[in-house]
Amino acid sequence: QVTLKESGPALVKPTQTLTLTCTFSGFSFNTRGTRASWIRQPPGKALEWLARIDWDNDKFYSTSLKTRLTISKDTSKNQVVLTMTNMDPADTATYYCARLVASGDAFDIWGQGTMVTVSS
Amino acid sequence: DIQMTQSPSTLSASVGDRVTITCRASQRISSWLAWYQQKPGRAPKLLIYKASSLQSGVPSRFSGSGSGTEFTLTISSLQPDDFASYYCQQYTSYSYTFGQGTKLELK
Repeated sequence: QVTLKESGPALVKPTQTLTLTCTFSGFSFNTRGTRASWIRQPPGKALEWLARIDWDNDKFYSTSLKTRLTISKDTSKNQVVLTMTNMDPADTATYYCARLVASGDAFDIWGQGTMVTVSS
Repeated sequence: DIQMTQSPSTLSASVGDRVTITCRASQRISSWLAWYQQKPGRAPKLLIYKASSLQSGVPSRFSGSGSGTEFTLTISSLQPDDFASYYCQQYTSYSYTFGQGTKLELK
């Protein structure tokens, strides 16, 4: 069974750096073709893709946020980590990690999400 | 970046109805289009990928079609569990974009 779970702070202050961890099971980055992403959703708004990391450590970022984002993986711990610098109240959202399907570029398994509020 | 526009934003329907949601891309995206269902407080659930491929475990009343810039999600006979929000998502050039969503509500 494939599962993902996000963890991180529920509250961060403006200008701080956010670090989120996605811990997964049921798949491995040792397998060619494995890919995972971070996606966020502000309250009552649409989904926004943030970043993707592949089994070969290729990384891809949202054009509008790439200067603030870093995605990484720890294969031995089955974790994907996202850092976002210079947090702003507009970054208040539920942050999800998700796996991409082996064929096609869609997100087949999602974590439950973690709500992050940016406020002083 | 490619923009995805869904219509309608809200759709009122009854159990048993056939409904269609449309998603238009600002540029051609071949068949790199997925559809998700999301219920309040829950993560999205993949329904359709590659425009028309039904994800494993998804009921056959859901279907997708289209290519290029115009795509549709059809629910052939609405069930009570189908009232939710629906999002389309495209993939091109190592970037992903979601539509703004369609809320399907009970008439």
